[in-house]
Amino acid sequence: GAGVSQTPSNKVTEKGKYVELRCDPISGHTALYWYRQSLGQGPEFLIYFQGTGAADDSGLPNDRFFAVRPEGSVSTLKIQRTERGDSAVYLCASSLKGTGDGGANVLTFGAGSRLTVL
Amino acid sequence: AQSVSQHNHHVILSEAASLELGCNYSYGGTVNLFWYVQYPGQHLQLLLKYFSGDPLVKGIKGFEAEFIKSKFSFNLRKPSVQWSDTAEYFCAVRRNTGFQKLVFGTGTRLLVSP
Repeated sequence: GAGVSQTPSNKVTEKGKYVELRCDPISGHTALYWYRQSLGQGPEFLIYFQGTGAADDSGLPNDRFFAVRPEGSVSTLKIQRTERGDSAVYLCASSLKGTGDGGANVLTFGAGSRLTVL
Repeated sequence: AQSVSQHNHHVILSEAASLELGCNYSYGGTVNLFWYVQYPGQHLQLLLKYFSGDPLVKGIKGFEAEFIKSKFSFNLRKPSVQWSDTAEYFCAVRRNTGFQKLVFGTGTRLLVSP
C-alpha cells in the first residue's frame, strides 16, 4: 500500500484480556518495527523484523508481549493478560532495508493503534 | 545505553518568530540523526535526516538542522515559524553499525500563536 496501515486505530479492553494489533507495512519493505508511545514520551522500541524473523526483540517489556510476521509482510503484535500499564499508542514502522546508511533505512510510521486497558 | 535529550518540552512562539529546538545524544560513535514531526491528529512524519557529509541539513517546510559532532548535538531550526508548524517534534538517533534501533527523545511540543 501507499503507507503503513495499522488496525484497529483504537482498542479498549479490560485488564486481563488478550489483544492483537495488526500492521500492514509499505509494499516491498523488508524491515518492520514496533514501537510503543506512552503519554508525554517519545516512541520506545519494542521489536524489529527483517523478513519473517525477529532480528531484535530486546525492547519487548516482558513475556506477555509477542509479535509475528509469518509471511514477511503483515505483522501482528500480541499482548496477553493486559495490564493498565500497557495503555499506550502502539506504532508500527517499515523501511526498505533494516541496516545501512541512506534512504533505504529510513522508517515510515503508521498512524498507530491506541490501546486503553481499563 | 544510548539516550537522546530534548531540553525543551514545551515551546510557545508567535508567528514569524525564529525557532531552535535542542537535541543532544549520548553515543560517541558514528550516528544517523533524524527529526520527526507529528502534527495534531496525524502520524509521525520525517522532517529531515543526517547520514554523512555537510553537517547542515535542509528538510521540508523550511526546517534545517545542524550536526555538531563535538557537542553531540543536532538542533532543529527555522527562521520564521508559521501557525501550521504547531506540532510535536521528536529527535531520533541511531548508531551506524549493522542493525541499531532508532532511539527517540521525549519530544518538544511547539505551539505557534497567530
